[in-house]
Amino acid sequence: GAGVSQSPRYKVAKRGQDVALRCDPISGHVSLFWYQQALGQGPEFLTYFQNEAQLDKSGLPSDRFFAERPEGSVSTLKIQRTQQEDSAVYLCASSLDRSGANVLTFGAGSRLTVL
Amino acid sequence: AQKITQTQPGMFVQEKEAVTLDCTYDTSDPSYGLFWYKQPSSGEMIFLIYQGSYDQQNATEGRYSLNFQKARKSANLVISASQLGDSAMYFCAMREGVGFAGNTPLVFGKGTRLSVIA
Repeated sequence: GAGVSQSPRYKVAKRGQDVALRCDPISGHVSLFWYQQALGQGPEFLTYFQNEAQLDKSGLPSDRFFAERPEGSVSTLKIQRTQQEDSAVYLCASSLDRSGANVLTFGAGSRLTVL
Repeated sequence: AQKITQTQPGMFVQEKEAVTLDCTYDTSDPSYGLFWYKQPSSGEMIFLIYQGSYDQQNATEGRYSLNFQKARKSANLVISASQLGDSAMYFCAMREGVGFAGNTPLVFGKGTRLSVIA
């Protein structure tokens, strides 16, 4: 597609529920990142994929967070047993290749509210 | 320690005036890249401008320019001729080890909210 697409745009979950957030990157983009943005803060890195390989997951806050990109295109961020502190906007970004100077193109984000 | 510091939580500027948004960074890596993104109320992060640590000249993109002072580790964004549509959050970000194999993540500052007044 023309841009990075994320769904759902808004998700309300009861505490303890599992949620899955989807990211459809720009076609052909090798690198894919997930970020978490709390209200009034800058985005915080969660995890990074190069094609289907998850090369860095150092930012995932707990083992309740899991991400995958099985075919090297669409990625899913799963949060198990959601807690109130998981409420945030989850941003997905992709870039064309490995070069660090490559610009990340972001999606509009998925806003998660945990009640 | 914070890698990116944006000391201005909020800024106001009159329409058609220029405004400077401050950003300082901290790294020991000689190779890095500095980015500015705009985030309007719709939520999407929009790339504005990029400066590489080895670039000799300050980056410019239309009304945006980056005042890069390497010795002071600052990368201030200058917006000329402000427009009402420039009202948004602005984030400074850095990636270390630019150009090497593998991608290190972008590290963002806390942002500055810019309000343009008619």
